[in-house]
Amino acid sequence: EAQVTQNPRYLITVTGKKLTVTCSQNMNHEYMSWYRQDPGLGLRQIYYSMNVEVTDKGDVPEGYKVSRKEKRNFPLILESPSPNQTSLYFCASSPAGGIHEQFFGPGTRLTVL
Amino acid sequence: GEDVEQSLFLSVREGDSSVINCTYTDSSSTYLYWYKQEPGAGLQLLTYIFSNMDMKQDQRLTVLLNKKDKHLSLRIADTQTGDSAIYFCAETYNNDMRFGAGTRLTVKP
Repeated sequence: EAQVTQNPRYLITVTGKKLTVTCSQNMNHEYMSWYRQDPGLGLRQIYYSMNVEVTDKGDVPEGYKVSRKEKRNFPLILESPSPNQTSLYFCASSPAGGIHEQFFGPGTRLTVL
Repeated sequence: GEDVEQSLFLSVREGDSSVINCTYTDSSSTYLYWYKQEPGAGLQLLTYIFSNMDMKQDQRLTVLLNKKDKHLSLRIADTQTGDSAIYFCAETYNNDMRFGAGTRLTVKP
């Protein structure tokens, strides 16, 4: 089944404790991205990747890192999480040519205490 | 404005038509999208329209695009309780996708 998977689905952590949210897609998509969803703000893009080893900042990259060592994986790293990063995070992927017809993962709900 | 704008709430009766409106920001956006998010789930692409089109119909869904006013709408005919969800409009912007805040559609029996 074609899908985007994220792990973990739920995470509660404390300020300053490094964490990684994994994202994997099995559709051989070139383009992958991370969004955060906050009430009343819709989705905002954090980082995106056009292909392996190519990443770029989205609208809200501060406090986040990403890497794209393999086509299928695009982990989101929070080196020192803070409470304002409490949010619902979505990973997405799409075929070559950019963001047309993105497929979204199920989401990761992160709480930073 | 800088943001993709949608009204936050819409309530309709089962069997009625629903119309969800959106104002987008970039007249050069190539594609405009409607996504559906059910509780606890990710976003599901419902439909999209290419910017050189005025209308697209797909079963119960009709998308209307007014490029002059940068206005996009989604009409759901014969709305069912299963249509209750949050609906997001989105536009492509460079290599980003800009989303509205979402319209929560409630369908009452």
